[in-house]
Amino acid sequence: DQQVKQNSPSLSVQEGRISILNCDYTNSMFDYFLWYKKYPAEGPTFLISISSIKDKNEDGRFTVFLNKSAKHLSLHIVPSQPGDSAVYFCAASYYGGATNKLIFGTGTLLAVQP
Amino acid sequence: EAGVTQSPTHLIKTRGQQATLRCSPISGHTSVYWYQQALGLGLQFLLWYDEGEERNRGNFPPRFSGRQFPNYSSELNVNALELEDSALYLCASSKTGFWDGYTFGSGTRLTVV
Repeated sequence: DQQVKQNSPSLSVQEGRISILNCDYTNSMFDYFLWYKKYPAEGPTFLISISSIKDKNEDGRFTVFLNKSAKHLSLHIVPSQPGDSAVYFCAASYYGGATNKLIFGTGTLLAVQP
Repeated sequence: EAGVTQSPTHLIKTRGQQATLRCSPISGHTSVYWYQQALGLGLQFLLWYDEGEERNRGNFPPRFSGRQFPNYSSELNVNALELEDSALYLCASSKTGFWDGYTFGSGTRLTVV
């Protein structure tokens, strides 16, 4: 049962344009969401997070949007740079679970073309 | 500051053998997490250790086990290896919890032949 889904395995974008990565979840108890970036031969790196009390969080070129009614979140990268080429994972969890674990999606490979 | 370090980088084992993977967390981090990334799948939660205790485990059979040492380093043991155990095993550490974002190591690539 895949509770966090990233339905696009890959995405190709021109340098300077916007990259939009999407993520859907099924568990309505999730109240905290994170995005990680992973380069080959490296571990995932934390990028940005959002709590369910917000619908938007920004950090520089990266913005995460949360639509709780649709159980959907997206990561916007503006402007996209070749160095952003990596696999992006969304992850979800909930404070009340006391499990301290993250549920990850399967990832989206972003390729930013120069 | 040194990051999360994992060893070995690559490990090749025969079906039925045991594998031991090691992880050193960031200094000051007391929680260690283990995740498995099999081909085509997202990261699957395996184990969470905090202050030397196993706090939670994912939906994996008992042949996946581990421990955390007094210096907060950790090892993951996989007994009676099966071909489908071939995966990237990632260790992460945190000082508080997931809301600060884990810091991951580069992983151990386990291949079972």
